[in-house]
Amino acid sequence: AQKVTQAQTEISVVEKEDVTLDCVYETRDTTYYLFWYKQPPSGELVFLIRRNSFDEQNEISGRYSWNFQKSTSSFNFTITASQVVDSAVYFCALRGYGQNFVFGPGTRLSVLP
Amino acid sequence: NAGVTQTPKFQVLKTGQSMTLQCAQDMNHEYMSWYRQDPGMGLRLIHYSVGAGITDQGEVPNGYNVSRSTTEDFPLRLLSAAPSQTSVYFCASSSLGTWATEAFFGQGTRLTVV
Repeated sequence: AQKVTQAQTEISVVEKEDVTLDCVYETRDTTYYLFWYKQPPSGELVFLIRRNSFDEQNEISGRYSWNFQKSTSSFNFTITASQVVDSAVYFCALRGYGQNFVFGPGTRLSVLP
Repeated sequence: NAGVTQTPKFQVLKTGQSMTLQCAQDMNHEYMSWYRQDPGMGLRLIHYSVGAGITDQGEVPNGYNVSRSTTEDFPLRLLSAAPSQTSVYFCASSSLGTWATEAFFGQGTRLTVV
């Protein structure tokens, strides 16, 4: 069975702090995809990144970076110099051979001014 | 560029009423799915489809029906609404296979059953 765990239910930081959101996944598939989505207070789901299981390179996009470690089955997401607009619920998701997406429970990030 | 169009955005139903949530995508995606989002539980898969005429159950299918007569449309039917079905519903589509993409989501439907 596939599973995604986001152990941090809620995180609160002060603006300009760095914050890392953890994601641990379980799958027996050798080929799979990992994703991060952002859900701002307005409610829509915004795609942030996709990573396939053969590509363990870390990725940086502006203030966002992702650390994929197959050895620990983790795909963590770091926001550098957080801003109030980063306040949202963040979901990690896994898609394996079965083609269905499995989502974690989400981490609610509050960035305080 | 419409993407995934989901209607309605809000709905209030009385217990026992039925309704259909509409979902349409214009990206020619084979895969379509419905999720419900409840506090602290992430997105849970209700039903999914990998092509016209093919549907299957997800994690929480009870009380819901789907059909897929065309590639574009994937409606979700609530047969007899119950308060436990109060939730936010999302429709999503994606391509399949080696070049599988991320899930593209509709705007969501906030459903309240009283």
